[in-house]
Amino acid sequence: DAGVTQSPTHLIKTRGQQVTLRCSPKSGHDTVSWYQQALGQGPQFIFQYYEEEERQRGNFPDRFSGHQFPNYSSELNVNALLLGDSALYLCASSRDHNAPLHFGNGTRLTVT
Amino acid sequence: GENVEQHPSTLSVQEGDSAVIKCTYSDSASNYFPWYKQELGKGPQLIIDIRSNVGEKKDQRIAVTLNKTAKHFSLHITETQPEDSAVYFCAASGSGGSNYKLTFGKGTLLTVNP
Repeated sequence: DAGVTQSPTHLIKTRGQQVTLRCSPKSGHDTVSWYQQALGQGPQFIFQYYEEEERQRGNFPDRFSGHQFPNYSSELNVNALLLGDSALYLCASSRDHNAPLHFGNGTRLTVT
Repeated sequence: GENVEQHPSTLSVQEGDSAVIKCTYSDSASNYFPWYKQELGKGPQLIIDIRSNVGEKKDQRIAVTLNKTAKHFSLHITETQPEDSAVYFCAASGSGGSNYKLTFGKGTLLTVNP
């Protein structure tokens, strides 16, 4: 049973560019959340998707957007990249709002 | 919003000793408190969690205690082993109690020396 899978594992982009990160949730999970983890910090909540809609959002600018597909997979898009967007981006899935979050291994984004 | 403080930031113990990590939270509406272990190059892995209607929970060598009045919770690892070495994060559910919107502490780097 595959867990949460994310692609790519590593990515290098230039300031001002746009990036798309992808996530497939654990089998049986229909809710996906995205977190940003800066070096040496705990993960920070970006947003959550359920039934193809953004349900909750953390304190992140509109440059961060997402999408959930009918098969429950999800994408995170970041426009106009800044150096400060360099971080590990984590996807987490869960069965319902009372179930624990299961994290993937993340995508390491470096903005130069 | 919710704020979670975690101490200590680093912890070094001898194999077989116990390790304790403490966290405090600010939002009295939070009702779900998970602990995650993160190894180098990997995502956080849930090791134990507790809800606000429970004061203590154990799973083999790991236990978590919660004091809702004082708004603090702790992770206890007994008989530590070198493979317990990792970064540990506490978290609390955001306002409204949704499990999705977790606020994390800054982490504790635990080193278990053989």
